[in-house]
Amino acid sequence: AQTVTQSQPEMSVQEAETVTLSCTYDTSESNYYLFWYKQPPSRQMILVIRQEAYKQQNATENRFSVNFQKAAKSFSLKISDSQLGDTAMYFCASISYNTDKLIFGTGTRLQVFP
Amino acid sequence: NAGVTQTPKFQVLKTGQSMTLQCAQDMNHNSMYWYRQDPGMGLRLIYYSASEGTTDKGEVPNGYNVSRLNKREFSLRLESAAPSQTSVYFCASSDVRRNTEAFFGQGTRLTVV
Repeated sequence: AQTVTQSQPEMSVQEAETVTLSCTYDTSESNYYLFWYKQPPSRQMILVIRQEAYKQQNATENRFSVNFQKAAKSFSLKISDSQLGDTAMYFCASISYNTDKLIFGTGTRLQVFP
Repeated sequence: NAGVTQTPKFQVLKTGQSMTLQCAQDMNHNSMYWYRQDPGMGLRLIYYSASEGTTDKGEVPNGYNVSRLNKREFSLRLESAAPSQTSVYFCASSDVRRNTEAFFGQGTRLTVV
């Protein structure tokens, strides 16, 4: 079965600080991708970062980086130098390369305080 | 490029009525998806289509039907709407073999009274 679990319904962080959002997943596939998406109040879904499972190196995109632990099936998102504009829902997701099935976790609501 | 276009943006239905949500993408993606988003439940996959002519059930398919009309279009039908289907619905498309992320429509807020 393909599952994605986010155990933190809500998180908060002060502006300029660092926060880490957790995600664990399960899959029987050997070939898959993992994603973090951001959803601001506008409801638009915005890709934050992606990780190919076959790559050992952790993906980074400016202030956003992941800690990909394949054996533990863990995929956490670190946001450095948090900004007010980072306030949003964050969703972890996985897609199977073989079936194209794309599923999401339940999300973490992040609030950045001034 | 329009990306993913879904219609309508808002809809109110009475219990038992039927309706079809339309979705079209212009990125030549193979895969298309329908999700529903409810508070605290994240995005739950209703149905998906990995290629033209194929559809597969997702996590919550009951009460819904889909049609992959062609490569561009993927519709979601509620045959007999129920209050439990009140939700925000998202259509998405992707092409994992071209290493593209999923692109989403703007969502449809559906209320069943």
